[in-house]
Amino acid sequence: EIVLTQSPGTLSLSPGERATLSCRASQSVSSSYLAWYQQKPGQAPRLLIYGASSRATGIPDRFSGSGSGTDFTLTISRLEPEDFAVYYCQQYGSSPPFTFGQGTKLEIK
Amino acid sequence: QVQLVQSGAEVKKPGASVKVSCKASGYTFTGYYMHWVRQAPGQGLEWMGWINPNSGGTNYAQKFQGWVTMTRDTSISTAYMELSRLRSDDTAVYYCARDLVFGGTGTNSGFDPWGQGTLVTVSS
Repeated sequence: EIVLTQSPGTLSLSPGERATLSCRASQSVSSSYLAWYQQKPGQAPRLLIYGASSRATGIPDRFSGSGSGTDFTLTISRLEPEDFAVYYCQQYGSSPPFTFGQGTKLEIK
Repeated sequence: QVQLVQSGAEVKKPGASVKVSCKASGYTFTGYYMHWVRQAPGQGLEWMGWINPNSGGTNYAQKFQGWVTMTRDTSISTAYMELSRLRSDDTAVYYCARDLVFGGTGTNSGFDPWGQGTLVTVSS
């Protein structure tokens, strides 16, 4: 089973700053199989990025994804107040087909 | 617009079963796999499995095999997830989520949209 480890666990930043979130896989993951989600309290997750770098419909261009192999990154170029939430990476593999990282909480400093 | 609407909250006793529904609208129900994901209180996301609404074929995470059953009724564009032999640690919000990929899953996959979630509480 591929394990995804996200870092940091909590990231404290101010609006307007740049956020860099990391997702590291225990084995190589195809870029086509890596996605990122945002979850706010009391809400369902929302797809941000799929295929490691493609933005989902309606996602602002301040969100970007990059990486390959075992290291992937979600970058938020300039934080807006509504961006403070928990972020999860997800990979599609063989067994089990889908796994999630444990999440990074992005909080207001 | 594409929308998934789930059934309401449930309270069950240990050992019982629960069946959660997910009604789809705004797209061709049989064209996209449906996934089920759960989230225990204050915890992360756990993928449970998927169903192909076209064929009825399923793929369950190993942890849930023999314990979860995913079905669908194409006449009413609704997917179901039934979990049996409930324990207290099955208390969680259960989500359905549509796959991004038409006719399959995997390459360039993602889950979008998600249902609003169904809280299942298991307590004696």
